[in-house]
Amino acid sequence: GENVEQHPSTLSVQEGDSAVIKCTYSDSASNYFPWYKQELGKGPQLIIDIRSNVGEKKDQRIAVTLNKTAKHFSLHITETQPEDSAVYFCAASSPAGTALIFGKGTTLSVSS
Amino acid sequence: EAGVVQSPRYKIIEKKQPVAFWCNPISGHNTLYWYRQNLGQGPELLIRYENEEAVDDSQLPKDRFSAERLKGVDSTLKIQPAELGDSAVYLCASSSRGTGARGSYGYTFGSGTRLTVV
Repeated sequence: GENVEQHPSTLSVQEGDSAVIKCTYSDSASNYFPWYKQELGKGPQLIIDIRSNVGEKKDQRIAVTLNKTAKHFSLHITETQPEDSAVYFCAASSPAGTALIFGKGTTLSVSS
Repeated sequence: EAGVVQSPRYKIIEKKQPVAFWCNPISGHNTLYWYRQNLGQGPELLIRYENEEAVDDSQLPKDRFSAERLKGVDSTLKIQPAELGDSAVYLCASSSRGTGARGSYGYTFGSGTRLTVV
């Protein structure tokens, strides 16, 4: 089945710096890759996603890139702010496209 | 529009006791998922419903876990009897058409139920 690896597990940056989180997946049949942000005591919230027919997608300070050949995708956050501090999860669709397989998460800390 | 509603938010029980979690998905969302999130880990799928049918329960520990989604709307997840290792956050999510190339994508998660078994 699909396996998703996420790195780093923790990331500390200064306010205004950029943050990059990387994920790899194992099954080339996966075709949908969302990113979720989870704040303390809350459920994960979808922040951006990308499909396999697209290489890059951007939404204001957040961007996601996908390399299908290498089977990895990354989340880029520019001009980080303290409110970006949270746990971020990448996910990949299962080969049948019926469920999401999640990485183990990255705890991002943005200090002012 | 109300999001995915879960209750209770927190539950503390003694081992060997039963416990149940309730989920009300977003109106019109046919697909409902239960995930378990252990401390410091990503969510792991337990069961997926398409309307009232459980179409993927391969990861559900059936000896002690059960779930139902009567009338294809609300869902309950039950554990009986609970074990210490069941301590986790139980997340419910819903989607209008599942994931992948077939349709719309991305789940909406509820806030979860944090279960502590002592």
